[in-house]
Amino acid sequence: GQSLEQPSEVTAVEGAIVQINCTYQTSGFYGLSWYQQHDGGAPTFLSYNALDGLEETGRFSSFLSRSDSYGYLLLQELQMKDSASYFCAVTVVKGGYQKVTFGTGTKLQVIP
Amino acid sequence: DAGVIQSPRHEVTEMGQEVTLRCKPISGHDYLFWYRQTMMRGLELLIYFNNNVPIDDSGMPEDRFSAKMPNASFSTLKIQPSEPRDSAVYFCASRTPGRSSNYGYTFGSGTRLTVV
Repeated sequence: GQSLEQPSEVTAVEGAIVQINCTYQTSGFYGLSWYQQHDGGAPTFLSYNALDGLEETGRFSSFLSRSDSYGYLLLQELQMKDSASYFCAVTVVKGGYQKVTFGTGTKLQVIP
Repeated sequence: DAGVIQSPRHEVTEMGQEVTLRCKPISGHDYLFWYRQTMMRGLELLIYFNNNVPIDDSGMPEDRFSAKMPNASFSTLKIQPSEPRDSAVYFCASRTPGRSSNYGYTFGSGTRLTVV
């Protein structure tokens, strides 16, 4: 099976930078994704890393190290609207099919 | 595109009743997933389909749960009989074709199920 670990809660100040880490254990690893979910809403896709290194999308960046089974999501210039839960998710390939398993999520609170 | 459409948005039912959740994926998407979210267990993958064919249902908790995808534009998740522990938000998600996961999944708004 798969297991993912990420912190349950993080608090950061508006305008600052925050990093949310994710470690995983799985076979058939294909890539690591990040999703954002506001309270009462649906998860929305943020980024995906299949190869080692940093992917940047606006204020958000995601990093992957396959050798360390580790990744992180970096949020810069934090805004109040960034308060949400952030999930890392591993994509695995089994029998030629892809499926995604989600971590338990990190609740980010941005404070003024 | 209207996105992934789920119905109903909210469902309250009595224990023992049958519940049917519905999902219309984005047109052209070849993967469809059913997830369940609770505070205790997070987002759990229940079952997924590729081109309307069930690929992996190992996440379906019990025989009380069943899912179908009769065509590319419609899927159902049925619970019969329902129990209070089935109370959760059920999400349907679909994914664009191809090997690349760069576009991620698109989730529906979810169905909040309460079994009393």
